[in-house]
Amino acid sequence: QQQVKQSPQSLIVQKGGISIINCAYENTAFDYFPWYQQFPGKGPALLIAIRPDVSEKKEGRFTISFNKSAKQFSLHIMDSQPGDSATYFCAASKGFSGGYNKLIFGAGTRLAVHP
Amino acid sequence: GAGVSQSPSNKVTEKGKDVELRCDPISGHTALYWYRQRLGQGLEFLIYFQGNSAPDKSGLPSDRFSAERTGESVSTLTIQRTQQEDSAVYLCASSSNGIGRRSLYEQYFGPGTRLTVT
Repeated sequence: QQQVKQSPQSLIVQKGGISIINCAYENTAFDYFPWYQQFPGKGPALLIAIRPDVSEKKEGRFTISFNKSAKQFSLHIMDSQPGDSATYFCAASKGFSGGYNKLIFGAGTRLAVHP
Repeated sequence: GAGVSQSPSNKVTEKGKDVELRCDPISGHTALYWYRQRLGQGLEFLIYFQGNSAPDKSGLPSDRFSAERTGESVSTLTIQRTQQEDSAVYLCASSSNGIGRRSLYEQYFGPGTRLTVT
């Protein structure tokens, strides 16, 4: 059962543009929603994370928007740069209530930012 | 400081052979996770260790898969009688139960072991 659905599978954005990646989840018990960035040959690295008690979180050029009623969340990358070209994964867990952080990942979005 | 390391980085094995994959977590991290990443897909949870016990093994695909951890350090994932569908990148992550909300939940991933079963 796929509990976290991510779209699009791939995304091409021009330098300076906004990249938007969307995720939807099914389990209302999830209480932690991170985004991970993965470069080829490397393990994923935490980019930004949000809890469902806030609707938006911003860190530099990266913003998570969260819609609890729709069970959706999205990553916005402002002023996208070629160095942002990577695969992005959304994830969800019951980390805050479950005592440990078993992450359920989306399928990933391959972002290419063209100069 | 040193991050999570995994060995080998690549492993090619014949169908039916056993393989062992190793993970060295960040020193002091009590929590350790194994995930599997099939080509072009997201990561699938396999097993969670707290110290050397595994309270959640729910993601192990079959009884051919097993894992152990020595204290709060090295973990080994063993796949017996490998099948072609086991081909994937196996990722290990560790996290601390220590200071600060972010550190409690941030999982630091290793570079993975790419397993190819021929």
